[in-house]
Amino acid sequence: TQLLEQSPQFLSIQEGENLTVYCNSSSVFSSLQWYRQEPGEGPVLLVTVVTGGEVKKLKRLTFQFGDARKDSSLHITAAQPGDTGLYLCAGVNNDMRFGAGTRLTVKP
Amino acid sequence: NAGVMQNPRHLVRRRGQEARLRCSPMKGHSHVYWYRQLPEEGLKFMVYLQKENIIDESGMPKERFSAEFPKEGPSILRIQQVVRGDSAAYFCASSPLAGIGTEAFFGQGTRLTVV
Repeated sequence: TQLLEQSPQFLSIQEGENLTVYCNSSSVFSSLQWYRQEPGEGPVLLVTVVTGGEVKKLKRLTFQFGDARKDSSLHITAAQPGDTGLYLCAGVNNDMRFGAGTRLTVKP
Repeated sequence: NAGVMQNPRHLVRRRGQEARLRCSPMKGHSHVYWYRQLPEEGLKFMVYLQKENIIDESGMPKERFSAEFPKEGPSILRIQQVVRGDSAAYFCASSPLAGIGTEAFFGQGTRLTVV
């Protein structure tokens, strides 16, 4: 059983559409991170959220940390083919645990 | 400052052989994580080590798999008597410390193919 559940598992959309992916847990985390992995590469950190209710924006990406620090969402506005990849969330306490990821495909 | 180095990048083993996967963390990083990834899937946690200590190996199969992170040298993930189901990409990540705001840096992975 995954400590962090990510949904949806797969998502295929057209360029220009908006999307939201979710990361949920029954555990409280001191911080939560989002990573993106492209084919053949290791994951790369996108953002860290620390405070309950925190919202961070990275260009067209908006990250939110739940008030209870158990869940998070990633919203992408006007998706582009370059956004294609595996999006992973990681909950951090004394160690770091990853969800299974959402595999996003953005079609031109 | 070199990134996390994993080698080999690709490894082919026949069934029954041993596979040794190496991970050199970033300089100054004392925390190492190993993950397994099957094609089209996410990362599955295997083991979390600090220097000379296994902190959490709850994701490791109890047989044939072992990991170490010695005081000197890289972390090693060892798979004995490999089977076809062991074919996967194995990633390691390192971080300088545990806890809030810590970023994990990933290597490019070792792709193990068992034939």
